[in-house]
Amino acid sequence: QELLVQSGAEVKRPGASVQVSCQASGYKFTLYGISWLRQAPGQGLEWMGWISGYNGNSDTAQEFAGRLSLTTDTSTSTAYMEMRSLTFDDTAVYYCARDRPIVAGTGSDPFNLWGQGTPVVVSS
Amino acid sequence: IQLTQSPSSLSASVGDRVIITCRASQGISNYVAWYQQKPGKAPNLLISATSTLQGGVPSRFSGSGSGTDFTLTISSLQPEDFATYYCQQFHASPPTFGPGTKVDVK
Repeated sequence: QELLVQSGAEVKRPGASVQVSCQASGYKFTLYGISWLRQAPGQGLEWMGWISGYNGNSDTAQEFAGRLSLTTDTSTSTAYMEMRSLTFDDTAVYYCARDRPIVAGTGSDPFNLWGQGTPVVVSS
Repeated sequence: IQLTQSPSSLSASVGDRVIITCRASQGISNYVAWYQQKPGKAPNLLISATSTLQGGVPSRFSGSGSGTDFTLTISSLQPEDFATYYCQQFHASPPTFGPGTKVDVK
């Protein structure tokens, strides 16, 4: 069974950093990319960035440039998302999702496998 | 690429035919996907490439359209279909989503 399992809920102060992990199982991690998305309370879905499970190449939405880092650990089939300088507006559920197979080249595909979501609350 | 959806919400009864539309700010060929999301859960991919039903998705769901205008149709609404539906374009980076259509009980 293909799964993405994310780390648990986080509560952070403004200005802090948060790291969310996403462990893949049931498929070969290095054959696909992983995208990160978020959903603020009562809002829609926002794509944040993508990372290759093969070589760690990444692409980040301009909105998050400079404070979002995406990394992988292929030995554990885990992707990590770190967001720095958190503000109240970063309160959201953060999701990882499986993206396009690496062999398909650049671009994105519909997300057919999602993690369960990680709530991140930024509160003073 | 901006996506708009209409309506933003609708009330329907079991057995009703439901149509949700998605309009893109520029042509996106057939690179549209539809997702269903229930409260507290991750989105679930229903349809890719405008009309390709994902495995396990009931045939009462269908998609159509091309260019800038797309529709998701539920032919006969079932109790488990009350949820929020999102369209997504994957024609160009960054992938973007519509604001969602909430389908609730009339």
